[in-house]
Amino acid sequence: QSALTQPASVSGSPGQSITISCTGTSSDVGSYNLVSWYQQHPGKAPKLMIYEGSKRPSGVSNRFSGSKSGNTASLTISGLQAEDEADYYCCSYAGVGVVFGGGTKLTVL
Amino acid sequence: EVQLVESGGVVVQPGGSLRLSCAASGFTFDDYTMHWVRQAPGKGLEWVSLISWDGGSTYYADSVKGRFTISRDNSKNSLYLQMNSLRTEDTALYYCAKDTGEWYFQHWGQGTLVTVSS
Repeated sequence: QSALTQPASVSGSPGQSITISCTGTSSDVGSYNLVSWYQQHPGKAPKLMIYEGSKRPSGVSNRFSGSKSGNTASLTISGLQAEDEADYYCCSYAGVGVVFGGGTKLTVL
Repeated sequence: EVQLVESGGVVVQPGGSLRLSCAASGFTFDDYTMHWVRQAPGKGLEWVSLISWDGGSTYYADSVKGRFTISRDNSKNSLYLQMNSLRTEDTALYYCAKDTGEWYFQHWGQGTLVTVSS
């Protein structure tokens, strides 16, 4: 049950695109199309942004997209906006329960 | 509207015990697997435990196995986490989360804070 690996921080200017990677193993990310992504603003509960690798829940902007290649999943945010500044966590089914990534702090410059 | 409301978080001494509760409403509680996820101050999310819809299957993170017990009472639409032999590293905000059925969480509570300190 080792945590998935995410960059500690990423940044971008308004209007730009950024990508956050999430690297796991063949026991989690690589074996299942069950990666989800969560946005968390300070003092708030996590919010689901992407599920099953690339699907968006109703109400989530289409500026958010997800993908996967091998043992690495990615979250891309296009047209960055100030309100996107938050922590982002990936999560994968791991055969027994789930495992989260360490989190990535997104700064909008 | 789905609502999950956690309670029971307090300050407890190392080695102590505590039971957290999560009151669920707005959905058919006994249709869903439920989870506990925690977040230490300033740190990331950590999955803690899950329980199947009927309570027949439970799983735990290695970090809490043998010390924590998850349970549910479907007649009361409630989820519980019994925490024993608490350690300082168990200090965290504990969230309950509803599993949609495909291992992701669309609904979370606001969390209850557990502080383990002497």
